[in-house]
Amino acid sequence: EAQVTQNPRYLITVTGKKLTVTCSQNMNHEYMSWYRQDPGLGLRQIYYSMNVEVTDKGDVPEGYKVSRKEKRNFPLILESPSPNQTSLYFCASPPRGVGSPLHFGNGTRLTVT
Amino acid sequence: GQQLNQSPQSMFIQEGEDVSMNCTSSSIFNTWLWYKQEPGEGPVLLIALYKAGELTSNGRLTAQFGITRKDSFLNISASIPSDVGIYFCAGPPIFNNNDMRFGAGTRLTVKP
Repeated sequence: EAQVTQNPRYLITVTGKKLTVTCSQNMNHEYMSWYRQDPGLGLRQIYYSMNVEVTDKGDVPEGYKVSRKEKRNFPLILESPSPNQTSLYFCASPPRGVGSPLHFGNGTRLTVT
Repeated sequence: GQQLNQSPQSMFIQEGEDVSMNCTSSSIFNTWLWYKQEPGEGPVLLIALYKAGELTSNGRLTAQFGITRKDSFLNISASIPSDVGIYFCAGPPIFNNNDMRFGAGTRLTVKP
């Protein structure tokens, strides 16, 4: 079964304390992406990756980093989290390649105090 | 960036009623997708549309890809309580297939 797995599901942290949200997919797909979901704004793309060692900024990349050292994993890194990064985060990958419908993880709810 | 204009923002309906929501954009889209999100979960694909004018059904759900390629609608017939959730339209604009755009969502509440 195609799966996108994120961890943790919930995270509460303080301003400035570095954190990483992990994402892995078992579909052997090249494309992976990160979104944040905020009320009234839908899902906005943070970063995406077309392949190993290839990453690009989405709409809202400020304050985030990503890495893609292997095809399976695409962690989202917040070097110095701030309260405006409190949000619901989703990792996604398209089972049928770029431009095809995305398969989403179950989300990570982050609160930065 | 270019977002999709989705309406309405929310709907409160009685069980058994039909529902209609739509999405528009100033850009042409290659694909129109409709997702549903339930509390505590990620969005799940309901319907995918790939051709202008295409009308596709999935049970009580029907969606259409507008002939201008700039809009789409989703209808739900004879709503039931489990239809509750947030519905999103999405798609990659023609100028960038890597960039999946989302509407702000329509929050549907169904009263038994």
